[in-house]
Amino acid sequence: DQQVKQNSPSLSVQEGRISILNCDYTNSMFDYFLWYKKYPAEGPTFLISISSIKDKNEDGRFTVFLNKSAKHLSLHIVPSQPGDSAVYFCAASEIQGAQKLVFGQGTRLTINP
Amino acid sequence: EADIYQTPRYLVIGTGKKITLECSQTMGHDKMYWYQQDPGMELHLIHYSYGVNSTEKGDLSSESTVSRIRTEHFPLTLESARPSHTSQYLCASTRGQETQYFGPGTRLLVL
Repeated sequence: DQQVKQNSPSLSVQEGRISILNCDYTNSMFDYFLWYKKYPAEGPTFLISISSIKDKNEDGRFTVFLNKSAKHLSLHIVPSQPGDSAVYFCAASEIQGAQKLVFGQGTRLTINP
Repeated sequence: EADIYQTPRYLVIGTGKKITLECSQTMGHDKMYWYQQDPGMELHLIHYSYGVNSTEKGDLSSESTVSRIRTEHFPLTLESARPSHTSQYLCASTRGQETQYFGPGTRLLVL
């Protein structure tokens, strides 16, 4: 039973354009959502988060949108840069208690020059 | 950015050996976590700790064990490694309700 799903295993975007990565979740108890970026031999690097009391959070080139009714969130990267090429993981948790993160399968983003 | 360290970064070991993967953080974070990731797959929580002398099993069953004797240290031990334990092991920590930050990971290969 996959509680967090990233249905696109890969995405290819031209440099300078917008990258949109999507994530769906099923557990209505989740109230805190995060995006991490990961290279193969390294640990995930935190990018941006959003709590369920908001529907949008921005940090520089990164914006996360949350649609609670659809149980859907997305990460927008604009403009996309070659250094953004990596695997992006969506994660969700309940902000109270242990904050156990549940991860999606990841989307491999490739930015083409 | 959090200062969280994992050693070794890479480990190749034979079946049946006992191994300990080290994880340390220098921020005084109370909560620490171990996740396991197979190539191309999602990360799964295998152990977590609320603080000293607290350890809990995660959502993915694991034959490994953990201990939390000091705030900054959260080692993971496999008593008898098997090829099925081959994976990447990632340690994370946080304080209160803040974001979890990850270490660089240990890539384990059991022959």
